[in-house]
Amino acid sequence: DTAVSQTPKYLVTQMGNDKSIKCEQNLGHDTMYWYKQDSKKFLKIMFSYNNKELIINETVPNRFSPKSPDKAHLNLHINSLELGDSAVYFCASSQDPGAIAHGYTFGSGTRLTVV
Amino acid sequence: GQNIDQPTEMTATEGAIVQINCTYQTSGFNGLFWYQQHAGEAPTFLSYNVLDGLEEKGRFSSFLSRSKGYSYLLLKELQMKDSASYLCAVDGGATNKLIFGTGTLLAVQP
Repeated sequence: DTAVSQTPKYLVTQMGNDKSIKCEQNLGHDTMYWYKQDSKKFLKIMFSYNNKELIINETVPNRFSPKSPDKAHLNLHINSLELGDSAVYFCASSQDPGAIAHGYTFGSGTRLTVV
Repeated sequence: GQNIDQPTEMTATEGAIVQINCTYQTSGFNGLFWYQQHAGEAPTFLSYNVLDGLEEKGRFSSFLSRSKGYSYLLLKELQMKDSASYLCAVDGGATNKLIFGTGTLLAVQP
């Protein structure tokens, strides 16, 4: 069974379109994250939710809007896509802060290409 | 500011030992992580250090010195499958936000 699953795995779309990426975890974790990995492989946090509550919101354009309907799901909606949004987006989850020693579990990533 | 530095690339020979260094400057510290990422795949957790010293786990060991803001990942008996990027990450605050370095691309040659 996949612990953190993201869909779609690949997404090619035109500039100006709106798209969503879905993420689900079946680990019972309370905290979920979205990271962006650019062409230089640098992983940068975008958002974090704990029990459906937004706890981290980095300097991300407001075209990006996360939504967490329950603690097992964290979706990412992107409006008016731009060329610079092309990257791999990783969803991740972790247990409560007291169990951070186990680290994050990452999904397999969504490769977004904006043309 | 917050900064994590690692070498960009390293090359090593199958069967040898390689040490990947990481230096960090963060406003807080709740622990340091090492992740392995094969091309086109998700990062996978390797190790966690929160106290000074060496943590050993099979062929992989990780060392931390908090006073020096320094860590290294030691890989022994290198195998071809160890060719991957190795990411150093620091948990620098109360929200458990992991700050990643740019990663070190390790190439293991025969």
